[in-house]
Amino acid sequence: AIQMTQSPSSLSASVGDRVTITCRASQGIRNDLGWYQQTPGKTPKLLIYTASTLQSGVPSRFSGSGSGTDFTLTISSLQPEDFATYYCLQTYNYPRTFGQGTKVEIK
Amino acid sequence: ELQLVESGGGLVQPGGSLRLSCAASGFTFISYRMNWVRQAPGKGLEWVSYMTSSSSNIDYADSVKGRFTISRDNAKNSLYLQMNSLRDEDTAVYYCVREAYYYDSSVFDYWGQGTLVTVSS
Repeated sequence: AIQMTQSPSSLSASVGDRVTITCRASQGIRNDLGWYQQTPGKTPKLLIYTASTLQSGVPSRFSGSGSGTDFTLTISSLQPEDFATYYCLQTYNYPRTFGQGTKVEIK
Repeated sequence: ELQLVESGGGLVQPGGSLRLSCAASGFTFISYRMNWVRQAPGKGLEWVSYMTSSSSNIDYADSVKGRFTISRDNAKNSLYLQMNSLRDEDTAVYYCVREAYYYDSSVFDYWGQGTLVTVSS
């Protein structure tokens, strides 16, 4: 199974900060990677697919990059509603595997 | 409006069984691969199982293989997960998730609200 190593596991940041989360795959996965946001008690929400394509309705402060084994999710200017846990997911093969999650907390 | 509505969760004793259902609406169910994903309390997301649109291909996470069975009824726009020999570590919220193709890549694009399964004596 492909392992997805996500870092950091948590971070503290302030409103307006630029935040970067990384995900590394244990083998190449082309650009078959999505990023999801989950707030407490809510369902995961798709933010980015094919590593860099913004899902419809998602604010442009979110962006994704990468291909192969190394991927990045960037929030250009953190907003209060962005405090949440973020997960990457590879859909290159089965079993599908998620990163461990990154909890973004208020500093 | 696209909806995925899970049901069937609850409290069950270790070794017991439970059948989850997911009712789909607002899209052409028969055209999509479907998945189950779970999340233990306070933990991350774990993929559990998938089934192709025609039911021709199925796979399971190693943690549930031999105990869980995925199925679907395209006439009823429904996805199911039969869970047998349940263990404490199967306690989780179970999500029904649609998988779509975007630019030749698979995407988990719509998630249900989840149903809680608690395995405890």
